[in-house]
Amino acid sequence: DTAVSQTPKYLVTQMGNDKSIKCEQNLGHDTMYWYKQDSKKFLKIMFSYNNKELIINETVPNRFSPKSPDKAHLNLHINSLELGDSAVYFCASDTQGAGETQYFGPGTRLLVL
Amino acid sequence: AQSVTQPDIHITVSEGASLELRCNYSYGATPYLFWYVQSPGQGLQLLLKYFSGDTLVQGIKGFEAEFKRSQSSFNLRKPSVHWSDAAEYFCAVGDYKLSFGAGTTVTVRA
Repeated sequence: DTAVSQTPKYLVTQMGNDKSIKCEQNLGHDTMYWYKQDSKKFLKIMFSYNNKELIINETVPNRFSPKSPDKAHLNLHINSLELGDSAVYFCASDTQGAGETQYFGPGTRLLVL
Repeated sequence: AQSVTQPDIHITVSEGASLELRCNYSYGATPYLFWYVQSPGQGLQLLLKYFSGDTLVQGIKGFEAEFKRSQSSFNLRKPSVHWSDAAEYFCAVGDYKLSFGAGTTVTVRA
């Protein structure tokens, strides 16, 4: 059973397009995250939701909009894609509480041409 | 502000040799510290974590890490490396929001 899954795994698109990445977790966790990993493998948190409520919102362009329809799903919509958005996007989840183990999805590799 | 430094970008080690990956952190209070591993094309998997108690922490896959408050360090070790340990290793600090280091790439030669 996949714990944290993401779709699609690969996404190649043109500049200016709008795209979405979906994430689902079946671990019963109530907190979910989006991370961006750049070409140098630097991993940075973008957003976090707890029970559908946004709790972490880092300095991310407004073109990025997360949506959590329920606590098992966290989607990421990106408007007007730019070349610099090319990266690997990871979803993660954990139970609420400081220092909990985060479980990561396999990543979505986005390439903007 | 919290931050993590991993001084070694790339380490090459022979199979069967020991491995040590360095991690230094900056954090305002007692830190939660983590080591994650990322195999090629995969997501991150937790190796071990520390918050309190014994400063030598055992993890999965034969890894251990030692917390040294005086040196603000949390170095990862493995006594004998296997070819399957070739991966990217990330140290992280934080409570609800994790800050990751830039990672260390480990190459294992036969």
